[in-house]
Amino acid sequence: NAGVTQTPKFQVLKTGQSMTLQCAQDMNHNSMYWYRQDPGMGLRLIYYSASEGTTDKGEVPNGYNVSRLNKREFSLRLESAAPSQTSVYFCASSVPRVTDTQYFGPGTRLTVL
Amino acid sequence: AQSVTQLDSQVPVFEEAPVELRCNYSSSVSVYLFWYVQYPNQGLQLLLKYLSGSTLVESINGFEAEFNKSQTSFHLRKPSVHISDTAEYFCAVSDPFSGNTPLVFGKGTRLSVIA
Repeated sequence: NAGVTQTPKFQVLKTGQSMTLQCAQDMNHNSMYWYRQDPGMGLRLIYYSASEGTTDKGEVPNGYNVSRLNKREFSLRLESAAPSQTSVYFCASSVPRVTDTQYFGPGTRLTVL
Repeated sequence: AQSVTQLDSQVPVFEEAPVELRCNYSSSVSVYLFWYVQYPNQGLQLLLKYLSGSTLVESINGFEAEFNKSQTSFHLRKPSVHISDTAEYFCAVSDPFSGNTPLVFGKGTRLSVIA
């Protein structure tokens, strides 16, 4: 039981490049989330997926797209990376309304030059 | 919409001293409340949570938090900290009756335990 896994762990991009961050969970959770963490800003929700086939914007969705590929996988895409997107990205999953506890992946540290 | 305020961004404390990390939330209706901990270079882990029942909840490593509805607070305490408690701590809240809305996190409190 691996929990929530994220790939890659580290990535350096040039401005304008695109990339996809991958997230998978093996806990049969319905809901999945993408956050970014920046110093002094805490965790900010980018997008979430309450269930397979649905996605919703969070607090800071601009510049990102998501795909809920199936119940296990939820990917985050940066179409044209900007230096402001330099951050640590976390994926999480939960069974909502049962306990609302979210389980987090180890994070992806992204630097955009 | 719910909001969470963690009143201290950084808390330095000497080893074996007590500590309190403060958390206030915005709503006075029913809530679920959480404390998460993030050790350096890791993801967040659940430390403890309040869903209902006893207002005092405890973690396995000696932390406790008390739900105070009248003051809309959920402060985290430990009577004697260890070096290994050095981490960032996040308070979070959810509304049990709002459907599938995500947790709302505070900005975090960085606890530094000094030897």
